[in-house]
Amino acid sequence: AQSVSQHNHHVILSEAASLELGCNYSYGGTVNLFWYVQYPGQHLQLLLKYFSGDPLVKGIKGFEAEFIKSKFSFNLRKPSVQWSDTAEYFCAVNVRGGAQKLVFGQGTRLTINP
Amino acid sequence: DADVTQTPRNRITKTGKRIMLECSQTKGHDRMYWYRQDPGLGLRLIYYSFDVKDINKGEISDGYSVSRQAQAKFSLSLESAIPNQTALYFCATSDSSGRTFGNEQFFGPGTRLTVL
Repeated sequence: AQSVSQHNHHVILSEAASLELGCNYSYGGTVNLFWYVQYPGQHLQLLLKYFSGDPLVKGIKGFEAEFIKSKFSFNLRKPSVQWSDTAEYFCAVNVRGGAQKLVFGQGTRLTINP
Repeated sequence: DADVTQTPRNRITKTGKRIMLECSQTKGHDRMYWYRQDPGLGLRLIYYSFDVKDINKGEISDGYSVSRQAQAKFSLSLESAIPNQTALYFCATSDSSGRTFGNEQFFGPGTRLTVL
């Protein structure tokens, strides 16, 4: 079955630490890739997205993600996190040309200690 | 940003009751979705609709039904609520016309439902 896997369920970091959250998917076709963020008590917001072109994409708030097709991965990175990055992060994938449904990973809860 | 609204925002109900969650959007999008979010499970698709006459089951549709009353409105019903339907429910929209990137979805603020 098609799936999206986020390796880290809860990550705890100190401010200024570097961040990398893993995301792998199991689709064989051409995909669109997304990272969404959910701040405490809020709805999901798009952080960044990959459709085609440069596999290193930059999003809002200093986040970036790299699409590695051979590894079916789309890991999220930030060189220096802030306390305000505390949130839950979701990786999502849809298959281009298919039913256009988004499939989400389980989410990674990120806690940044000041 | 109130482009996608959900009512109610919080609801406590009892086992066996019928309840309806409503979603409205002003984005002019043709596609609408209902998800539920449970801790450790991410978001799972309940139903989706690609236009007013189109309704499709998602991965966890049992115990739920939907109605697409208009392009801008998509309601989720629990005919007889049970405790394991306690969750956070999100509505989302997307646009098939190509105006948005790669079928990006836009989410409402969520409805927190508790079934006692």
